[in-house]
Amino acid sequence: DAGVIQSPRHEVTEMGQEVTLRCKPISGHDYLFWYRQTMMRGLELLIYFNNNVPIDDSGMPEDRFSAKMPNASFSTLKIQPSEPRDSAVYFCASSQRTRNYGYTFGSGTRLTVV
Amino acid sequence: GESVGLHLPTLSVQEGDNSIINCAYSNSASDYFIWYKQESGKGPQFIIDIRSNMDKRQGQRVTVLLNKTVKHLSLQIAATQPGDSAVYFCAEKDTSYGKLTFGQGTILTVHP
Repeated sequence: DAGVIQSPRHEVTEMGQEVTLRCKPISGHDYLFWYRQTMMRGLELLIYFNNNVPIDDSGMPEDRFSAKMPNASFSTLKIQPSEPRDSAVYFCASSQRTRNYGYTFGSGTRLTVV
Repeated sequence: GESVGLHLPTLSVQEGDNSIINCAYSNSASDYFIWYKQESGKGPQFIIDIRSNMDKRQGQRVTVLLNKTVKHLSLQIAATQPGDSAVYFCAEKDTSYGKLTFGQGTILTVHP
């Protein structure tokens, strides 16, 4: 099992540009989560999906952020337009509802907006 | 909203000592708790979990204690090793929705 796969690992972009982060969950997992980690705010849940359907997006900072899960093996988090305050590490995680031992996290995408 | 918080942001120990990392939670509806370890440049990694119908659970060199009366969770690491140096997060879960809420984290530094 390759685990949760995120790409890119690092992204540096200019303010105002569109950024797309990608995630491939573990096969068979029916929950997918997007988290953002910063020194100031720690790990924040942005949005999560169950069976490809968004369940709770209350953590999405504003309309500049959007997430999709077109199928069970792929999800994207898009920021348009990006701002310097969006700089953070973005993690994707997946889990199985019936296996209650928490999530498996990807290695994260370190986003820097200059 | 309700959140999970940690008492100690940093903890330094000598190799071979036992470490105790503490966590306070406020959501009395949470019935499942997890400890994660995060090493530099990596995502959080599952260590051990406990359900609210338990007071204690042991793993390999780690023990989690849950005190529901005072809403307190702790992680004990026996014979701490340099490889244990990391940030440790407690997290609570609302099993109705599968959503994890993380605490702020404690930095554990193990000196050889």
